[in-house]
Amino acid sequence: KQEVTQIPAALSVPEGENLVLNCSFTDSAIYNLQWFRQDPGKGLTSLLLIQSSQREQTSGRLNASLDKSSGRSTLYIAASQPGDSATYLCATSGTYKYIFGTGTRLKVLA
Amino acid sequence: DVKVTQSSRYLVKRTGEKVFLECVQDMDHENMFWYRQDPGLGLRLIYFSYDVKMKEKGDIPEGYSVSREKKERFSLILESASTNQTSMYLCGASLGASSYGYTFGSGTRLTVV
Repeated sequence: KQEVTQIPAALSVPEGENLVLNCSFTDSAIYNLQWFRQDPGKGLTSLLLIQSSQREQTSGRLNASLDKSSGRSTLYIAASQPGDSATYLCATSGTYKYIFGTGTRLKVLA
Repeated sequence: DVKVTQSSRYLVKRTGEKVFLECVQDMDHENMFWYRQDPGLGLRLIYFSYDVKMKEKGDIPEGYSVSREKKERFSLILESASTNQTSMYLCGASLGASSYGYTFGSGTRLTVV
């Protein structure tokens, strides 16, 4: 059974720092891995989707990598801003359904 | 982009009421899902549907049912609401197999008193 873990559970950094969020999964037979952002009391916004055949995806200041053999994905945020403060979740899939990590709550201090 | 719309952002219902949570997607996506999200427990799958009138139980279906009469609409039904169903409910949609990724709605915060 797939299990997804995100460490750390919470992270606080000063504005301008580059940071890495980690996601690990136990079963490497995945279709893809997706990173989401969630603001308090809101739904999930998709950030990046990495297909199983890909190694990384980039969007603006965000870069996500995928290493299926080691069961790991990282989300790199460059030059962090207070507006990046949110909870970041990763999720990975079998055929139909996603298994989510419990998220990393990020706070970027001005 | 696919848009997933949940009809209510906040709901307050009384114990024992029948509650309907509505979700509509504006693209022709086969798969739709309902998750609930609770502090410390993360997102847990309640039900999913891979076609009209087709549904499968997720990890925590007890106390819930679903309806999908049209491809664009997936409803979650709480037959008799209880206080332990107070939660954030998230509806999602995906095209075909989940390799295309999920799109979620803005969530419904349900409080049962």
